[in-house]
Amino acid sequence: GAGVSQSPRYKVAKRGQDVALRCDPISGHVSLFWYQQALGQGPEFLTYFQNEAQLDKSGLPSDRFFAERPEGSVSTLKIQRTQQEDSAVYLCASSFPGGNTIYFGEGSWLTVV
Amino acid sequence: TQLLEQSPQFLSIQEGENLTVYCNSSSVFSSLQWYRQEPGEGPVLLVTVVTGGEVKKLKRLTFQFGDARKDSSLHITAAQPGDTGLYLCAGENTDKLIFGTGTRLQVFP
Repeated sequence: GAGVSQSPRYKVAKRGQDVALRCDPISGHVSLFWYQQALGQGPEFLTYFQNEAQLDKSGLPSDRFFAERPEGSVSTLKIQRTQQEDSAVYLCASSFPGGNTIYFGEGSWLTVV
Repeated sequence: TQLLEQSPQFLSIQEGENLTVYCNSSSVFSSLQWYRQEPGEGPVLLVTVVTGGEVKKLKRLTFQFGDARKDSSLHITAAQPGDTGLYLCAGENTDKLIFGTGTRLQVFP
């Protein structure tokens, strides 16, 4: 596709449920980023891939959060045993390595009830 | 933890007014970017500034990078309702972007 595609757009999960959020980056983009954005705040960095290598996962808030990009293209962010504080928009972005411009998807809105 | 503080947090003005949004940090960044985000969408890049003291203009928007590359400002002249949105600054830090706290701008007709 022409842009970064994320699915699902909206997800309501019961507390304790596992969720998986998918990101399809722009074709050819080597770098892929995940961010978490609480309502009305700026995005907070979660993790970064270059191809299939996860180069930085310093922003993942706990070991319940796990991200993978096994073939260097599509990425999945998995959250285990969701808690209410996980409710947020999860944004995926991609770029060429060293590129100044990163392109964001529309986000996956997660609500944990 | 956000390393970039934006002010004001909220701004509500009438069409035609001028405004300035500030982005401050104690850290030095190799480059700084400004984004605008509308509800239900991801942030969209407006500009990248790289050199200390650099000024860039984008129609009615003027962006400035501080001499020490720790702070930046965004000035909008004659604001229009279409300028409404969440404005985010972001500093580049070892291949990832660190976003500011955000400034929500509402421009009334």
